[in-house]
Amino acid sequence: DSGVTQTPKHLITATGQRVTLRCSPRSGDLSVYWYQQSLDQGLQFLIQYYNGEERAKGNILERFSAQQFPDLHSELNLSSLELGDSALYFCASSVDQGTEAFFGQGTRLTVV
Amino acid sequence: GQNIDQPTEMTATEGAIVQINCTYQTSGFNGLFWYQQHAGEAPTFLSYNVLDGLEEKGRFSSFLSRSKGYSYLLLKELQMKDSASYLCAVRSGGATNKLIFGTGTLLAVQP
Repeated sequence: DSGVTQTPKHLITATGQRVTLRCSPRSGDLSVYWYQQSLDQGLQFLIQYYNGEERAKGNILERFSAQQFPDLHSELNLSSLELGDSALYFCASSVDQGTEAFFGQGTRLTVV
Repeated sequence: GQNIDQPTEMTATEGAIVQINCTYQTSGFNGLFWYQQHAGEAPTFLSYNVLDGLEEKGRFSSFLSRSKGYSYLLLKELQMKDSASYLCAVRSGGATNKLIFGTGTLLAVQP
């Protein structure tokens, strides 16, 4: 158990809908990262937060948004969902911006 | 830009040694990480290099050459449970310190 908690574990929804994925980082970790992993694909970096502030953006679509709250948990919002958004979404956290990141178990999103 | 290259697949025999290479080109550098990922599961941290040289951790070792933009992960005494994807990741440094992953190397360990 990495100490990073993601909910829900599985999510099935229809095209056009909106979902929110939640991540609780390890106790004491200030950095949170979101990644998307499609079937047989690598981890695609979406966005990174540090102590509540956005620090880096990767290949995140405009339909997607995220935030990190004062208690350091983070949410990833996906809207106007398309079939191609079906993937594993991982959250990771690290103490600061230089150390190793620890991953949650992921949320498997299926868009039908 | 950022580019991280790894072989797509490798096969090795139980009990043997395997070396998985990673080359990178990034706009900055603040450390290189190796992760293991079994299918459908979360990546788990294996090793970290920020200075040139070899870091050893049990059956796993990782090497870094910053001047060559090159790293390798060495797995000794291979076990069947080592069959997994091995991901090379680089921290880009600077204000953002992005953690960018390569596409991973799928290692199959055969009896």
